[in-house]
Amino acid sequence: EVQLLESGGGLVQPGGSLTLSCAASGFTFNFYAMYWVRQAPGKGLEWIAGIGGSGGTIHYADSVKGRFTISRDNPKNTLHLEMNSLRADDTAVYYCARGYYYDSRAFDYWGQGTLVTVS
Amino acid sequence: QSVLTQPPSASGTPGQRVTISCSGSSSNIGISYVYWYQQLPGTAPKLLIYKTDQRPSGVPDRFSGSRSGTSASLAISGLRSEDEAHYYCSTWDDRLSGVIFGGGTKLTVV
Repeated sequence: EVQLLESGGGLVQPGGSLTLSCAASGFTFNFYAMYWVRQAPGKGLEWIAGIGGSGGTIHYADSVKGRFTISRDNPKNTLHLEMNSLRADDTAVYYCARGYYYDSRAFDYWGQGTLVTVS
Repeated sequence: QSVLTQPPSASGTPGQRVTISCSGSSSNIGISYVYWYQQLPGTAPKLLIYKTDQRPSGVPDRFSGSRSGTSASLAISGLRSEDEAHYYCSTWDDRLSGVIFGGGTKLTVV
């Protein structure tokens, strides 16, 4: 069974840093692109970063470029998101998601999300 | 303001067919596949449609996707009460070099 389990969320002050992790299981991790998507309270979905299976291809949304860093540890089946210079508008539930095998820009499995509050 | 435009709300009665639209541009929907997600209250999104009109295994054929030019649509036939949720369209934007989402449509089954 595919499982994605995020951790690392919490309360942080503006300007602070936080690193999220996503532990993956139930599939061959390095075969799949992985993503971070966030959802501010009561708002819609916002894609923020993606990384290819080998880690060689990385993309960021303009809203986080230069502040956030996505990475993956394939031997440990773990996805990370290092977040720096956090702002109030970064407050959101952060989901990790797997790229669908047949279309990597579709997200077929999602974690339960971890809440980041910047205040 | 989302790059993809969806109506904020839609409604239908049980058994009815409803359509949710998603309007984009030549840098996104016009040249890229479209995806649709369903988000039930308090849960993570679920992939309904990939490659514009394909359903992943397990998604009922009541859900269908289509595209015309720079707009896409999600149709739900035989509407059920459990279809009440938020629906999001998504695609790749070549100009932004990233995945984009629509603002979401809240579907109410009355």
